[in-house]
Amino acid sequence: NAGVTQTPKFQVLKTGQSMTLQCAQDMNHNSMYWYRQDPGMGLRLIYYSASEGTTDKGEVPNGYNVSRLNKREFSLRLESAAPSQTSVYFCASQLESGVTYEQYFGPGTRLTVT
Amino acid sequence: AQSVTQLDSHVSVSEGTPVLLRCNYSSSYSPSLFWYVQHPNKGLQLLLKYTSAATLVKGINGFEAEFKKSETSFHLTKPSAHMSDAAEYFCVVSEGNAGNMLTFGGGTRLMVKP
Repeated sequence: NAGVTQTPKFQVLKTGQSMTLQCAQDMNHNSMYWYRQDPGMGLRLIYYSASEGTTDKGEVPNGYNVSRLNKREFSLRLESAAPSQTSVYFCASQLESGVTYEQYFGPGTRLTVT
Repeated sequence: AQSVTQLDSHVSVSEGTPVLLRCNYSSSYSPSLFWYVQHPNKGLQLLLKYTSAATLVKGINGFEAEFKKSETSFHLTKPSAHMSDAAEYFCVVSEGNAGNMLTFGGGTRLMVKP
């Protein structure tokens, strides 16, 4: 099992450019998440998908869109990048077993917007 | 609404001495609580989780945490620090609401001196 994979690992964009961050999991999990991590602030939820075909906003959704392409894949799109979106982006998927659940994180994408 | 406060942004210990990382939470429901560790330039790894079973939770690498409802705390401890424990640690709370959104604390950077 590869777990949760993310591409690319690093990206530099100019203000106004667009890009899509890719995430895939091979653990057959229903729920998937996108977070951003900024210094001193922990992780904040951007969007999540509780199941294939559904997506919902998290704490900081402005400037982002998502697509749950199928059960495995959940992509995050920046339509017009801004310097405030410079951050490290993490994708996660969730194991749900009875009343317990656990999120597994990918290695992250480090994005710089100049 | 749920929130998490990690009381120390940095903790420095000597190798072989005890580790204490402090976390207080706020939740309207019976929460689930987690500790994650992040080594430099890596993703997040689950150390341990509390989900309303035993209040003393044992995790990987010798870490444990005690859930104290009266004090709304979930402090992380380890009897003897190892150099490899140097990392960022995140306390996380979830109320198990729609999408099981996690709320992260700001993180504590643990430094271990030889």
